[in-house]
Amino acid sequence: DTEVTQTPKHLVMGMTNKKSLKCEQHMGHRAMYWYKQKAKKPPELMFVYSYEKLSINESVPSRFSPECPNSSLLNLHLHALQPEDSALYLCASSQNRDSPYEQYFGPGTRLTVT
Amino acid sequence: QQQVKQSPQSLIVQKGGISIINCAYENTAFDYFPWYQQFPGKGPALLIAIRPDVSEKKEGRFTISFNKSAKQFSLHIMDSQPGDSATYFCAAGRAGNMLTFGGGTRLMVKP
Repeated sequence: DTEVTQTPKHLVMGMTNKKSLKCEQHMGHRAMYWYKQKAKKPPELMFVYSYEKLSINESVPSRFSPECPNSSLLNLHLHALQPEDSALYLCASSQNRDSPYEQYFGPGTRLTVT
Repeated sequence: QQQVKQSPQSLIVQKGGISIINCAYENTAFDYFPWYQQFPGKGPALLIAIRPDVSEKKEGRFTISFNKSAKQFSLHIMDSQPGDSATYFCAAGRAGNMLTFGGGTRLMVKP
């Protein structure tokens, strides 16, 4: 089973709202990733968690706050977003960070900021 | 050094034809080259991948050709079908580092 699940599928939020995106995998992977993808562009790495610890933060604004409660779950907390943050947010996982090969993506959350 | 260049940006192929997408990389430390297929509104799905110790890998209608000396690799889709219409991303990776993606190719297969 190579499934990564994400909820919700769609999210519309105002600039003053606080919301969270959730990601789950049961493949025993110990590296999990958040990507942002704009239309017609490749995925853009935001954060990497390795063994539940944040190992990479690609200079992402503090209005995005990641959390890894356990080895299967990854959250992305959103607060005071801007309209330009509207995008497809993708979660991915791989066996471990030292082997980022075979990275499996979830279906994504389509976020619209109004 | 980390860039992966993908071409063409878009491609139209007749049903039954061969779709060819090319990628070139600069960093010789890359040792893993996957291709992802993405349908609109969905996440990228790992399609096929190759390591530089082989020059070709085939899975069904999908083939990766790899030219280590030229630092290029390509995806061939044989007998292209309308259901193959999607965006394809090549990528390159190495241990301890994250994947570097190409810019993507939008493939349309006409019936």
